[in-house]
Amino acid sequence: KAGVTQTPRYLIKTRGQQVTLSCSPISGHRSVSWYQQTPGQGLQFLFEYFSETQRNKGNFPGRFSGRQFSNSRSEMNVSTLELGDSALYLCASSRDGPGNTIYFGEGSWLTVV
Amino acid sequence: GIQVEQSPPDLILQEGANSTLRCNFSDSVNNLQWFHQNPWGQLINLFYIPSGTKQNGRLSATTVATERYSLLYISSSQTTDSGVYFCAVEKGRRALTFGSGTRLQVQP
Repeated sequence: KAGVTQTPRYLIKTRGQQVTLSCSPISGHRSVSWYQQTPGQGLQFLFEYFSETQRNKGNFPGRFSGRQFSNSRSEMNVSTLELGDSALYLCASSRDGPGNTIYFGEGSWLTVV
Repeated sequence: GIQVEQSPPDLILQEGANSTLRCNFSDSVNNLQWFHQNPWGQLINLFYIPSGTKQNGRLSATTVATERYSLLYISSSQTTDSGVYFCAVEKGRRALTFGSGTRLQVQP
């Protein structure tokens, strides 16, 4: 079965611009979460969505936002990009509830110049 | 929040050697997973192992939940095992907390 799919894989943006990243979860998975990976901070949780509702949010500024659609696909948006937003953004999906494995996509590499 | 510590941070092995990676965590958890991050950035799930022992080929993992640690064993290492290994834990909120990883280099 298809894994977690993220688009685009690579992108370059300019400071001040905004970016939207997309994630399609594994079929049947309704929980979608996003993570940021940087060399300095490692892997950090951004937010998690279930049934189009944000259930949990990490410690990131309001410039980072997301949403989930009725088909469980999710998007995340970063507005007013800063150089420090350059990172690998990873999407993950799982069936709901503890006891379920979380699976990751290949990620979107964002470079802000 | 939960703290996750991985050791060693770096490990260099000759092909065929065995290794043990350790993950300590600071609180009880209901999910613990080991991942291998490939050179393209994808996190490949190795084990879902909040407790007990599992084996998958040359890899095995053990989590002792009461003592808050997990071990990942790699036997007969191959160059394709190179990469970064992450331990991540969750405490019921579908938000994984990751360790800083162990960077493994297997030399031919």
